[in-house]
Amino acid sequence: DVKVTQSSRYLVKRTGEKVFLECVQDMDHENMFWYRQDPGLGLRLIYFSYDVKMKEKGDIPEGYSVSREKKERFSLILESASTNQTSMYLCASSLFGGTYGYTFGSGTRLTVV
Amino acid sequence: AQKITQTQPGMFVQEKEAVTLDCTYDTSDPSYGLFWYKQPSSGEMIFLIYQGSYDQQNATEGRYSLNFQKARKSANLVISASQLGDSAMYFCAMRLETSYDKVIFGPGTSLSVIP
Repeated sequence: DVKVTQSSRYLVKRTGEKVFLECVQDMDHENMFWYRQDPGLGLRLIYFSYDVKMKEKGDIPEGYSVSREKKERFSLILESASTNQTSMYLCASSLFGGTYGYTFGSGTRLTVV
Repeated sequence: AQKITQTQPGMFVQEKEAVTLDCTYDTSDPSYGLFWYKQPSSGEMIFLIYQGSYDQQNATEGRYSLNFQKARKSANLVISASQLGDSAMYFCAMRLETSYDKVIFGPGTSLSVIP
């Protein structure tokens, strides 16, 4: 069974902390993505990567960075967490040009206090 | 600007009836793909259906069909014979094939199926 695994389901961090969200896929997909989901706003793309060490900014990259050192792992980094980064974070992966869409992880609910 | 619009924040449908969820999109890319996803209260995102911009026929997957009107830039999802398990959030999404397969999502429609 193919999978995208996010390391934590729930996370509580303090303002100013550096936060790492990890995502691992076992499908040999080229593309990986990080979204945040907020009520009424849908999913907004933070960053994506189409190859190892390659990254592209999405629509809301401010306050975030990413790392992709290996094909199967895509990390989202909050350099200095703030309360407005409290959200559900979803990782996804896909084959380039695939017609079956993304495979999503189960999400990480991050609360910054 | 590339954008997905879903104008129905919430909808109700009677069990066993058909329902149409609206989606319009905006892009100048000549090649793109359109998707629908379902997100039940458990939070998982479930892929439902895909339509390519060059596909001549509307996509169908079981009870789901996509009413693709390219000139109008609309990609409405039709669910036939609604079931209680169809109650969920539904997201329309667009993949931009000239932008490294970047996918953007609409704000979603919450569907409630009434017994």
